Amino acid sequence: KAGVTQTPRYLIKTRGQQVTLSCSPISGHRSVSWYQQTPGQGLQFLFEYFSETQRNKGNFPGRFSGRQFSNSRSEMNVSTLELGDSALYLCASSNDPGVGTDTQYFGPGTRLTVL
Amino acid sequence: GDSVTQMEGPVTLSEEAFLTINCTYTATGYPSLFWYVQYPGEGLQLLLKATKADDKGSNKGFEATYRKETTSFHLEKGSVQVSDSAVYFCALTSTNTGKLIFGQGTTLQVKP
Repeated sequence: KAGVTQTPRYLIKTRGQQVTLSCSPISGHRSVSWYQQTPGQGLQFLFEYFSETQRNKGNFPGRFSGRQFSNSRSEMNVSTLELGDSALYLCASSNDPGVGTDTQYFGPGTRLTVL
Repeated sequence: GDSVTQMEGPVTLSEEAFLTINCTYTATGYPSLFWYVQYPGEGLQLLLKATKADDKGSNKGFEATYRKETTSFHLEKGSVQVSDSAVYFCALTSTNTGKLIFGQGTTLQVKP
């Protein structure tokens, strides 16, 4: 099976712009979660989508949003970019992490740099 | 809330040395526990997992045992290689939401 894919791998934006990141989960996986990784805050949960519905949300401002399509592919959008949004954004897929024992598999990430 | 604490790095070892990276957790209920590894410029790879008390996860010579009495999930390897140099993350899945909660990561550097 192909793994989780994320596009683009690298992005450079300026403050105030918006950006959309894409994630394609492992075939058959219905859940997609997004995480932000920064040197200062480490890995933080953004949100999770399951069957096109946002099921869980982390503690991030409303500028961070996402959606999931019927084929389980997911997009994440950040509006009005700030310098502090520079990070590695990781997507993970699983059958159903709400089951607790399920495993989340990560993509290679999108490196976003905000200038 | 749920949390994970890892020993601070960096950890520097010589090739073939014994590795231990400590991890303790705080959680309600019975979370699943994971170790992920991140190589430079890459995403996270699952290294091993354990889903209940006394379970031992193992992979590529790495092992960790789910100890509920000490709320720990320490990572061990008997003989490290230069190729093991990476950042290691301990994590649990919140039983309420299923989201992963990570420790701060431990950088391992193995010298030949």
